Amino acid sequence: EAQVTQNPRYLITVTGKKLTVTCSQNMNHEYMSWYRQDPGLGLRQIYYSMNVEVTDKGDVPEGYKVSRKEKRNFPLILESPSPNQTSLYFCASSSSGHQPTDTQYFGPGTRLTVL
Amino acid sequence: AQSVAQPEDQVNVAEGNPLTVKCTYSVSGNPYLFWYVQYPNRGLQFLLKYITGDNLVKGSYGFEAEFNKSQTSFHLKKPSALVSDSALYFCAVRALYGGATNKLIFGTGTLLAVQP
Repeated sequence: EAQVTQNPRYLITVTGKKLTVTCSQNMNHEYMSWYRQDPGLGLRQIYYSMNVEVTDKGDVPEGYKVSRKEKRNFPLILESPSPNQTSLYFCASSSSGHQPTDTQYFGPGTRLTVL
Repeated sequence: AQSVAQPEDQVNVAEGNPLTVKCTYSVSGNPYLFWYVQYPNRGLQFLLKYITGDNLVKGSYGFEAEFNKSQTSFHLKKPSALVSDSALYFCAVRALYGGATNKLIFGTGTLLAVQP
């Protein structure tokens, strides 16, 4: 089954404790992206990747890091989480980053709480 | 700047009645528009998209959307609502910056509540 998976689905942590949220897709997609969803703000892009070893900032990149060493994986790293990073996070992928008609497919989401 | 507006935070409709979830957009150039649905504790699921051509786009679960260029709108519709349609709906437009990004710009979401 074609899908985007994320782990963990739920995470409660404390301020300053480094964490990684994994994202994997099995569709051989070139483009991958991370969004955060906050009430009243919709989804906002954090980082994206056009292909392996090619990443760039989205609209709200502060406090986050990403890497793309393999085509299928795109982990989101919070080096020193803070309470304002409490949110619902989504990973997404699409076939290409250059085709505006491509559909993006989303993972199930990771609900992160930073105390 | 490109943007999407969903003017209603919540839409209430009785089961069996038609439903409309509104979306307006602002883009420079051709709009590429999408609707996604988020069920409780689930990820975003793709419903439909408008790229070009017919202004009425049909999608999953009996949903359709009407593209209106003069009103810059892309309203989501369904002829007969089901209780199981109750969910959070997001409209999105593809952002185009020199063709180098596939970013989606999302509206703030509309909660659809279908009463039995």
